[in-house]
Amino acid sequence: EDQVTQSPEALRLQEGESSSLNCSYTVSGLRGLFWYRQDPGKGPEFLFTLYSAGEEKEKERLKATLTKKESFLHITAPKPEDSATYLCAVQGGSQGNLIFGKGTKLSVKP
Amino acid sequence: NAGVTQTPKFQVLKTGQSMTLQCAQDMNHNSMYWYRQDPGMGLRLIYYSASEGTTDKGEVPNGYNVSRLNKREFSLRLESAAPSQTSVYFCASSRRDTETKGYTFGSGTRLTVV
Repeated sequence: EDQVTQSPEALRLQEGESSSLNCSYTVSGLRGLFWYRQDPGKGPEFLFTLYSAGEEKEKERLKATLTKKESFLHITAPKPEDSATYLCAVQGGSQGNLIFGKGTKLSVKP
Repeated sequence: NAGVTQTPKFQVLKTGQSMTLQCAQDMNHNSMYWYRQDPGMGLRLIYYSASEGTTDKGEVPNGYNVSRLNKREFSLRLESAAPSQTSVYFCASSRRDTETKGYTFGSGTRLTVV
């Protein structure tokens, strides 16, 4: 059964304090691993897709990496506007639909 | 550039009442999805439509029905609402069901069943 586990559930950082969010997954035949950002009261917003181990993608202060068992979302020198819930999802070979983790709620204090 | 539009944004129902959540996309996407999001549970797929004219059950379909009205519109119906269906409902769309470039989500419908 495809499964996604995100850790930690919540993370509080000071502005400028870099850190990483983890997404561990089990899936038969990974087609893609997705990162989304969700602000309170809004729908998830697509950030990245990673397709194979060793792949990396960057967007502003965010960098996503992928291994065969997990993905990391690295946040460099975060700002308060980076505060949000970050969702990880996988798409496996057995079905095309996305399987989501429960998310990591990130708070960045000035 | 509306993307995915959901109506209503908020709704309160009494147990046993019925209602339909509406979803429309203007991106010419083939596939559409209904998810529910509950605290501590993450996003769970209720139903999806890989293409116009087809619908399939997701992880938590019980108590729901769907209709793919046309390529743009995908509605979710609660025939007899229960308190366990209190949740935030999200509609999403993608170019195809095997799309690896991500889904586009609506802003959600917050439903409370009392």
